[in-house]
Amino acid sequence: EPEVTQTPSHQVTQMGQEVILRCVPISNHLYFYWYRQILGQKVEFLVSFYNNEISEKSEIFDDQFSVERPDGSNFTLKIRSTKLEDSAMYFCASSEEGRPSETQYFGPGTRLLVL
Amino acid sequence: AQRVTQPEKLLSVFKGAPVELKCNYSYSGSPELFWYVQYSRQRLQLLLRHISRESIKGFTADLNKGETSFHLKKPFAQEEDSAMYYCALSGRRAYQGAQKLVFGQGTRLTINP
Repeated sequence: EPEVTQTPSHQVTQMGQEVILRCVPISNHLYFYWYRQILGQKVEFLVSFYNNEISEKSEIFDDQFSVERPDGSNFTLKIRSTKLEDSAMYFCASSEEGRPSETQYFGPGTRLLVL
Repeated sequence: AQRVTQPEKLLSVFKGAPVELKCNYSYSGSPELFWYVQYSRQRLQLLLRHISRESIKGFTADLNKGETSFHLKKPFAQEEDSAMYYCALSGRRAYQGAQKLVFGQGTRLTINP
């Protein structure tokens, strides 16, 4: 069964550094998402992406964040200048369609630690 | 605003006992509700969604619009049900585009032998 994959599984970085988190969505899916989960807190929506543009973004997704689909398979989340509070588990998800009832398929996550 | 509340962070029951994981939501429109599950060392995966009205692994959930609830139930818990359970909501939008999920805090269910 096809799965969403994410790399790296763990990332440690220094405050102020740029990080790029990578995701390969399921191949026939058209809608892509990033969520994050700070330790002990709920899973929070960051951004959704469709047709090569952002559909919606949360208040968390400020100018330090960007997303890109550089080729036909990868979907990346970039944090330009990381802060301590960016430490979290980042989940990528994809869905075949964008309907509210559509199932989103999640990747295993990237654990980001900012020192 | 969209909000999902799972009042129990932890829930522990004995094998064979009934299980109910509570979920309440707040949304002005007509929501789509989901239960996602995360077993130990595995990814988040869909357990069930209200629109399908199905039973998965013995679990059911009924959307109660009057009480704005979507509680997850299973009559006889099994040890393999031990996991983290997340209730999630997706709201309808007037325009095309990806639909975000709003998650509850999650409930860690432990089934004791």
